[in-house]
Amino acid sequence: QVQLQESGPGLVKPSETLSLTCNVSGGSISSYYWSWIRQPPEKGLEWIGYVYYSGSTKHNPSLKSRVTISVDTSKNQFSLKLSSVTAADTAVYYCARGRYGGNNYYYYYMDVWGKGTTVTVSS
Amino acid sequence: SYELTQPPSVSVSPGQTASITCSGDKLGDKFASWYQQRPGQSPVLVIYQDDKRPSGIPERLSGSNSGNTATLTISETQAVDEADYYCQAWDSSTVVFGGGTKLTVL
Repeated sequence: QVQLQESGPGLVKPSETLSLTCNVSGGSISSYYWSWIRQPPEKGLEWIGYVYYSGSTKHNPSLKSRVTISVDTSKNQFSLKLSSVTAADTAVYYCARGRYGGNNYYYYYMDVWGKGTTVTVSS
Repeated sequence: SYELTQPPSVSVSPGQTASITCSGDKLGDKFASWYQQRPGQSPVLVIYQDDKRPSGIPERLSGSNSGNTATLTISETQAVDEADYYCQAWDSSTVVFGGGTKLTVL
C-alpha cells in the first residue's frame, strides 16, 4: 500500500525559501501525478501544484512564480520549493498522489495523502 | 479562475440523511470529487468521478453531479461522519477546491 511522508523544516524565516520533500513508499512514483496541497490554520484546502513523474508541472496561478515542484524518480520522491515566504504561507502542507484521466471530460483527484507537516513562517 | 461554492455548515440528526452541495459554473460538465477531513487528520477521498466510492468507503456515502451542482449525500448519518467535507474539480489543468462544509451530527 502506497504511503506518503512529508519532511522539511518546521520553521522558515520571512523572505526565505520553504523546502519540503515527499517520500513515496510501497509503490513506484512512475505513471502518476503528485500534488502539494496546503491548509492554513482554521482554513480550507489550497492546491499548490503538481508534478508528473516525467517532470512536467503545473501550479496554482495565485502563487505566481514562487512555486517550484520537482521529482526524483531514482529516490521515489518529489519536492516543493516556495520562495519569498510570508506569514500567509504558514500552513499544514500535504503531499498527495493524483489520478488523471478521461476522454471528453477529464478528471483529477487525489487518492492517497500524507499526514501533513506544519510549516510556520516567523522570524 | 474557476470557483466552487459550498455552504459553511450543515447539521443533521443521527440516522437522518445529510446533503452537502457544491456549486460551480457548468460543474456537471466536469468531474467532482469529495474529501472528508476529521479534526487533526489528513483529508480522505470519499467520492471520485462524481459518484464512485474508493474501497473501504461505506455505501452510505454517495455522490451526484448535474447542471451547476454536485451533491454529497450521507444516509443514516452517524457520529463518525462529523467532519469537514471538501469538493474538488479539475478546470483548465488546475485543481480547484471548494471552501469546505462542516458537518455537525447533533
